[in-house]
Amino acid sequence: KAGVTQTPRYLIKTRGQQVTLSCSPISGHRSVSWYQQTPGQGLQFLFEYFSETQRNKGNFPGRFSGRQFSNSRSEMNVSTLELGDSALYLCASSSGLAGVREQFFGPGTRLTVL
Amino acid sequence: GQNIDQPTEMTATEGAIVQINCTYQTSGFNGLFWYQQHAGEAPTFLSYNVLDGLEEKGRFSSFLSRSKGYSYLLLKELQMKDSASYLCAAPHGSGNTGKLIFGQGTTLQVKP
Repeated sequence: KAGVTQTPRYLIKTRGQQVTLSCSPISGHRSVSWYQQTPGQGLQFLFEYFSETQRNKGNFPGRFSGRQFSNSRSEMNVSTLELGDSALYLCASSSGLAGVREQFFGPGTRLTVL
Repeated sequence: GQNIDQPTEMTATEGAIVQINCTYQTSGFNGLFWYQQHAGEAPTFLSYNVLDGLEEKGRFSSFLSRSKGYSYLLLKELQMKDSASYLCAAPHGSGNTGKLIFGQGTTLQVKP
């Protein structure tokens, strides 16, 4: 079974630009969660999508948005990039069905904002 | 709200045993996860405890005490490859949720 894939793996942008990151979950998984990881803040939850609907949301500004497609693939978008957005962005997939389920993480996208 | 605390760094010797502690405060309890993350890699699942007690899985064991809001990860027969960050995480809220609240992570350095 293929794991979670994320593209691109590395990205360099400048302040003010926008960026779109992609995540393909494990086949059959319907839940995709996104996290931001920085040395200072650790892993912080951005949002979760399940069956094309946002099911949970973290405490990030509206510049951070996401969506999920009918095949469960998910994208997150960050507009008007700031230097502080430099981080490793991880997505995790799970079945999303009844009860809490283990999340499987992708390799992440390393975003650098200059 | 939810809060998860764990030590920032630990050092141990190859072949030894190390215990990484995690204390948590959650609004509602839905179990506790432990993940391992090597530098530059994605977190990988180690364990999930929802009932009190010790669960053993090879060299790794995880313990949970719900009344004390406390968990620990026990690593036996340490190997150099166990040098990594260990993350304690709790699901937020109840029911179906893909939102995990993570501690800051404990960086474990295994020395020869």
